[in-house]
Amino acid sequence: QSALTQPPSASGSPGQSVTISCTGTSSDVGGYNYVSWFQQHPGEAPKLLIYEVTKRPSGVPDRFSGSKSGNTASLTVSGLQAEDEADYYCSSYALSNKYVFGTGTKVTVL
Amino acid sequence: QVQLVESGGGVVQPGRSLRLSCAASGFTFSIFSMHWVRQAPGKGLEWVAVTSNDGSVQWYADSVKGRFTISRDNSKNTLYVQMNSLSAEDTALYYCAAETSGRYHPGEYWGQGTLVTVSS
Repeated sequence: QSALTQPPSASGSPGQSVTISCTGTSSDVGGYNYVSWFQQHPGEAPKLLIYEVTKRPSGVPDRFSGSKSGNTASLTVSGLQAEDEADYYCSSYALSNKYVFGTGTKVTVL
Repeated sequence: QVQLVESGGGVVQPGRSLRLSCAASGFTFSIFSMHWVRQAPGKGLEWVAVTSNDGSVQWYADSVKGRFTISRDNSKNTLYVQMNSLSAEDTALYYCAAETSGRYHPGEYWGQGTLVTVSS
């Protein structure tokens, strides 16, 4: 049950887009369409942004979008805003009835 | 509004036990699957366990299987985790989270967490 691999950091200027990758295996990301993404600001609880690869919960701006190809999922944040500066985690349902999180990516808005 | 409030954290010696609680309000607790997720200081998120909406199914991370037991009391809108044989590696902020059953994600509603420190 190894953590999914994410880049440690990503950055972009306001208005630009940033894409974060999340690489797993055929036993998690590649095997199920149950990838989710979370945003966490310092000192706060995580917030669900995306579930089932591409779906957004009510209230999440459409600037946040998800996709998947093979064993790699991606989160794209379009039209970066200052408040998007946070840590982002992917998660996937995994073989043998488990869940696994990614290693986390710190997004900096330049 | 939706509220999840964790309690029961504190400092505990290695090898001892602790039970955490999570009181839910503002939503129909009995139709949600419930998770525990932890975060060691300065580290990333780690999924711990989940129980189905009726409490009949429990899944665990390998790191806690056999030591932790997740349970719920739908009559009290409360989630629990009994943690035995604690070690320093279990030191973390423990969050409870609610998942609309069947969506297979670790939670759309989260509490603010309760801190568990395992230290002699």
